[in-house]
Amino acid sequence: DTGVSQNPRHKITKRGQNVTFRCDPISEHNRLYWYRQTLGQGPEFLTYFQNEAQLEKSRLLSDRFSAERPKGSFSTLEIQRTEQGDSAMYLCASSPPESRQETQYFGPGTRLLVL
Amino acid sequence: GEDVEQSLFLSVREGDSSVINCTYTDSSSTYLYWYKQEPGAGLQLLTYIFSNMDMKQDQRLTVLLNKKDKHLSLRIADTQTGDSAIYFCAERFHGGATNKLIFGTGTLLAVQP
Repeated sequence: DTGVSQNPRHKITKRGQNVTFRCDPISEHNRLYWYRQTLGQGPEFLTYFQNEAQLEKSRLLSDRFSAERPKGSFSTLEIQRTEQGDSAMYLCASSPPESRQETQYFGPGTRLLVL
Repeated sequence: GEDVEQSLFLSVREGDSSVINCTYTDSSSTYLYWYKQEPGAGLQLLTYIFSNMDMKQDQRLTVLLNKKDKHLSLRIADTQTGDSAIYFCAERFHGGATNKLIFGTGTLLAVQP
């Protein structure tokens, strides 16, 4: 296969716990994005990687959030000391290098519920 | 500023055409996109249009772009019950280190049999 995959698909945690999500982009896609989608809203940009470099972070990404892409392939998004307001769908997208339209292909998302 | 607006809801009968509208604010946007999201799923790219085009047709989908009014529409011909979903328009933000997408709030399309 060849789509973007994300794990886990669902996560339920208690407030104050740490969680980590993983994204595997489409092979050979060097650009990787994280978005967050809350109920009834469109996705909002969180952060962007080109290869292993994190080139932009949204102000939505508080100090409790950290993302990595250590080898320029898969990426992880960690949320420390989760809060109820972190409950959302976390979406990962990837796009190929040197693409004019830079189409972003999305994974199925990880749905987080913080109790 | 970054703002993309869509109407929240559209209901059509099976076999009719659906038209979903979107307005955006970034006049320097080079590409605009339509994505489809089914319940509990990620986003599926439907089509995109380059800003120097007025129209793009792809099978049952027709995209119209009015750059002067910053208005984008998606027409679905012969709408089927399987087209029921939330449809998002998105503009590619031009600036900074990234080409992040700015999404609208989505239009829920309900197709009545």
